[in-house]
Amino acid sequence: QITLKESGPTLVKPTQTLTLTCTFSGFSLSTSGVGVGWIRQPPGKALEWLALIYWDADKRYSPSLKSRLTIKDTSENQVVLTMTNMDPVDTGTYYCAHRDYYNSRWSFDYWGQGTLVTVSS
Amino acid sequence: QSALTQPRSVSGSLGQSVTISCTGTSSDVGAYNYVSWYQQHPGKAPKLMIYDVNKRPSGVPDRFSGSKSGNTASLTISGLQAEDEADYYCCSYAGSYTVVFGGGTKLTVL
Repeated sequence: QITLKESGPTLVKPTQTLTLTCTFSGFSLSTSGVGVGWIRQPPGKALEWLALIYWDADKRYSPSLKSRLTIKDTSENQVVLTMTNMDPVDTGTYYCAHRDYYNSRWSFDYWGQGTLVTVSS
Repeated sequence: QSALTQPRSVSGSLGQSVTISCTGTSSDVGAYNYVSWYQQHPGKAPKLMIYDVNKRPSGVPDRFSGSKSGNTASLTISGLQAEDEADYYCCSYAGSYTVVFGGGTKLTVL
């Protein structure tokens, strides 16, 4: 059974760096074709893809946010996302999700429950 | 990489069919058969409904179907049920191991 869960601060101040952790079980990030992605959703707005880390350690970022994002695998069934220079517009729910190329290609078949991050002074 | 274009809202009566469009470009939707669709109820995480344009994950009713023509993908829900009322998002592979989501569509079941 695949599960993912996001954790991190609920409130960050503008200009601070956000660090979120995705703790997962039921799969290994070292299995060929597997990836873990981060997707966010401002209140009342659309989903926005942020980053993906793949089984071979390749990392990809949204072009519009690339300079602010870092994704890494801790090798302990956790994927960490950091986002620098936080701004109130970054307020929203942040999700991590599982991807398996050999099952559902370029889609996210399992999602965490999401964690709400508010950026405010 | 711009967000895919979806209608902000669609509606349909119980038992009827509705189609939600998702328009991209020749660099994403038009270039690959890797469009997926997600259903999101208020306060919940998105749920994968369709992948690879027209494939359903196990457990998704066959009332949900997907298609693609050129740069536009579509999600059709037939035999609308009250529980289908939700937000729907499309997503496409955009090359270079990246993906892009659509702006979302709110489905109202009348």
